[in-house]
Amino acid sequence: GAVVSQHPSWVICKSGTSVKIECRSLDFQATTMFWYRQFPKQSLMLMATSNEGSKATYEQGVEKDKFLINHASLTLSTLTVTSAHPEDSSFYICSARPGGPGNIQYFGAGTRLSVL
Amino acid sequence: QKEVEQDPGPLSVPEGAIVSLNCTYSNSAFQYFMWYRQYSRKGPELLMYTYSSGNKEDGRFTAQVDKSSKYISLFIRDSQPSDSATYLCAMSESGSQGNLIFGKGTKLSVKP
Repeated sequence: GAVVSQHPSWVICKSGTSVKIECRSLDFQATTMFWYRQFPKQSLMLMATSNEGSKATYEQGVEKDKFLINHASLTLSTLTVTSAHPEDSSFYICSARPGGPGNIQYFGAGTRLSVL
Repeated sequence: QKEVEQDPGPLSVPEGAIVSLNCTYSNSAFQYFMWYRQYSRKGPELLMYTYSSGNKEDGRFTAQVDKSSKYISLFIRDSQPSDSATYLCAMSESGSQGNLIFGKGTKLSVKP
């Protein structure tokens, strides 16, 4: 149980284009989903918290107009990187929290974004 | 002082060794403690979950929480090359709105 599917696993795009990443909880409903960014050899950096049916809460320094987050259902959240630039190249990971005590998060496998 | 401190390593051990990974924290309100394992270029995988103080064992893995010292540990017995990964500690306060606070991760390499 507690499987989170993230798609695509790797995407290469041209500078200026937009890329959408999907995150699905397959066997549970996720009241909250999270989006992280991870640079090589560094820990997870929380970008935003997404609650179903409401606007995402972005961490300080994260541009909400650049990283659009939609949490349309209890099992799906999407992150769209708009007008991508080479500096947006990174490893993006989503997680989903099923609720209950402990605030456990289950993670997707991550998406490697390369912007040329 | 950061909320969660974790030695980044790298830590290199021979196969079969007992591995000890540790985190310290400053927030006494943390009640839930987790260990995640992250292989290179993959998302973190939940290994162990502990509430409050005490020990929890799962196969070769043992998680310990000492709230009085604000110190948590993960022990790996009979370590295997497949255990080579980055191990992240994470913790949260009680209540449904708290986020997980992660350590920076310790990179472990188990040599055959």
